[in-house]
Amino acid sequence: AQSVAQPEDQVNVAEGNPLTVKCTYSVSGNPYLFWYVQYPNRGLQFLLKYITGDNLVKGSYGFEAEFNKSQTSFHLKKPSALVSDSALYFCAVRGSSNTGKLIFGQGTTLQVKP
Amino acid sequence: DTAVSQTPKYLVTQMGNDKSIKCEQNLGHDTMYWYKQDSKKFLKIMFSYNNKELIINETVPNRFSPKSPDKAHLNLHINSLELGDSAVYFCASSPGPSNSPLHFGNGTRLTVT
Repeated sequence: AQSVAQPEDQVNVAEGNPLTVKCTYSVSGNPYLFWYVQYPNRGLQFLLKYITGDNLVKGSYGFEAEFNKSQTSFHLKKPSALVSDSALYFCAVRGSSNTGKLIFGQGTTLQVKP
Repeated sequence: DTAVSQTPKYLVTQMGNDKSIKCEQNLGHDTMYWYKQDSKKFLKIMFSYNNKELIINETVPNRFSPKSPDKAHLNLHINSLELGDSAVYFCASSPGPSNSPLHFGNGTRLTVT
């Protein structure tokens, strides 16, 4: 069975500092990995995805994520955090061999303080 | 020009009532989904339709019945509402292939009293 874990309920960083939001996954076959962001009272917005190719994936709003197959991780990163990055972040995985069911992690709240 | 739109945005109702949530997408996508987000923000897939055909049906009480009149619409009907049904329900769509991201609506906050 596929699963996603986000080990931190909340991550706090100061504005201007680098940020990392962690994600590990378990899936049969090759993983399709995604990051989404949710602002209050809004739906989820797609940030970036890893399908194949380079392990470092660049996405929207300056975010990037690094796929690490040996550690089964897909951590979200940004070199310099903004207060406006404060939101709820979800990692998600689909197995390439299944019906396309997207499984979400439990979410990590990112708080960027001025 | 909303890509995935859900109505209503808020729904407050009493236990035992029957209610529906509507979803429409104008992206030309083949696949649509319903997700439930509980009070702890955990997201769980409920249903998925591909070209009006049900392809994913998670362990959901049969009081929940999705209906897809065409591939641009996926509605969710809930019978005999219970307190535990209170949540935010998100509709989403995707082009189809499993490597495509989902596009989400802004959610319907259902409160059952």
